[in-house]
Amino acid sequence: AQSVTQLGSHVSVSEGALVLLRCNYSSSVPPYLFWYVQYPNQGLQLLLKYTSAATLVKGINGFEAEFKKSETSFHLTKPSAHMSDAAEYFCAVSPSNGNQFYFGTGTSLTVIP
Amino acid sequence: EAGVAQSPRYKIIEKRQSVAFWCNPISGHATLYWYQQILGQGPKLLIQFQNNGVVDDSQLPKDRFSAERLKGVDSTLKIQPAKLEDSAVYLCASSPTWGTGHTEAFFGQGTRLTVV
Repeated sequence: AQSVTQLGSHVSVSEGALVLLRCNYSSSVPPYLFWYVQYPNQGLQLLLKYTSAATLVKGINGFEAEFKKSETSFHLTKPSAHMSDAAEYFCAVSPSNGNQFYFGTGTSLTVIP
Repeated sequence: EAGVAQSPRYKIIEKRQSVAFWCNPISGHATLYWYQQILGQGPKLLIQFQNNGVVDDSQLPKDRFSAERLKGVDSTLKIQPAKLEDSAVYLCASSPTWGTGHTEAFFGQGTRLTVV
């Protein structure tokens, strides 16, 4: 079975500081990995995805994530936080041979002015 | 392209009543998902359709929840009778057929259900 674990249900950063949201996956074979963002009263929007090409993936709004097989991790980063980044972030995993999506419990990002 | 459409956006019902949610996926997407997102949690897959067939409904509480996708396009999720613990956001998502090169799921805005 595939799953993801997001460490830290709440993360607070100052505006302009580095954002680091952690995600570790569990899978017998390298899966596809995704980060989604959810703003209040909205659906989920894709930030970026890893599909076995480049291990460093760049997404929208200045976010990026690096797939590290040795650490089974796919952490999300952004060099400088903006107030508009405040939202809920979800890591998701999908098997490379199918199209199921399994989500983590989410990390709520607060940006302090 | 048009996104995933869901209705209604909000619904308040009393326990033991029934409710139905509607979803129209992105045109041409073969796979349709219904997720339940309880406040403070990640989305949990309830049911996955491939065209009009069920791929996975292992986490669907079948004694009260049902879903259909009769013509392989839009879908309806029903709860009958509702319980207080069904209060959640119900998200519909769709994706193209696996293997076409597109691998993400596209989400609608969700229906927020409150059971009182």
